[in-house]
Amino acid sequence: EIVMTQSPATLSVSPGERATLSCRASQSVSSNLAWYQQKPGQAPRLLIYGASTRATGIPARFSGSGSGTEFTLTISSLQSEDFAVYYCQQYNNWPPEYTFGQGTKLEIK
Amino acid sequence: QVQLVQSGAEVKKPGASVKVSCKASGYTFTSYGISWVRQAPGQGLEWMGWISAYNGNTNYAQKLQGRVTMTTDTSTSTAYMELRSLRSDDTAVYYCARAKIGPFDPWGQGTLVTVSS
Repeated sequence: EIVMTQSPATLSVSPGERATLSCRASQSVSSNLAWYQQKPGQAPRLLIYGASTRATGIPARFSGSGSGTEFTLTISSLQSEDFAVYYCQQYNNWPPEYTFGQGTKLEIK
Repeated sequence: QVQLVQSGAEVKKPGASVKVSCKASGYTFTSYGISWVRQAPGQGLEWMGWISAYNGNTNYAQKLQGRVTMTTDTSTSTAYMELRSLRSDDTAVYYCARAKIGPFDPWGQGTLVTVSS
C-alpha cells in the first residue's frame, strides 16, 4: 500500500499571505496526485489533479507542483474562504486503489 | 450538472448491516466508476473501495474485505454500498464520489451512519 504523508498537520497563516502544504508518497506515484479541500460539514472538493492541473472553477491562486514522491500545494494569497482542511490523494494503481494523506488544517493566524 | 445524491442518515445496532445509496445524474453513468470513502468523527478520509459502473468490477480496501459489497443499478444510475457486521468504529460519514481512473469529482453530500447499542 502506498502511504501518503502530509506536513504540517496544522498551518497557521494570515489572510493575504502565501500557504505551502506538502505531501509525500512512500513510493513514486508519477503525477497521479490530487488535492482536495474540505470545510466543516461539507464533502471534499477537488482542487488539483495530475499534480498541477486545476479542476473546473478553482481560482488561479491555487497551484500544485511535484512528481514522483514529493508534492506541494500553494495558495498564493489566502482568502477567508480558504481556511479549511486539505488532503492529498494518490491514484496510481490498477486496479484502482486510492490512499489519502492524513490532512493539513489551514487555520487563520 | 453532474450530481450525486445519497440516502439519508442511518442508526444501526452493532452486528447489523447498512446499505447506502448514491444516485447519479448529469452524466453517462456507465462511463465512470464510483468510489466510496468514509470519515469517522474528527478524522481523515478513508478509501473503502471502487466499482466500475460499466461492468461491475470492484476493488475493496483490504481492511474491509469480506464486510463490504458495492453494487450498481444501471437502470436507475444508482450505486450502493453495503457494510455488514457493523461495529462502533464504523460510525462515520460515508461519501460516494465519481471516479474513473483518477481523482474523485464530484462527491455526494455524505450519509451519516451511527452504530450504537
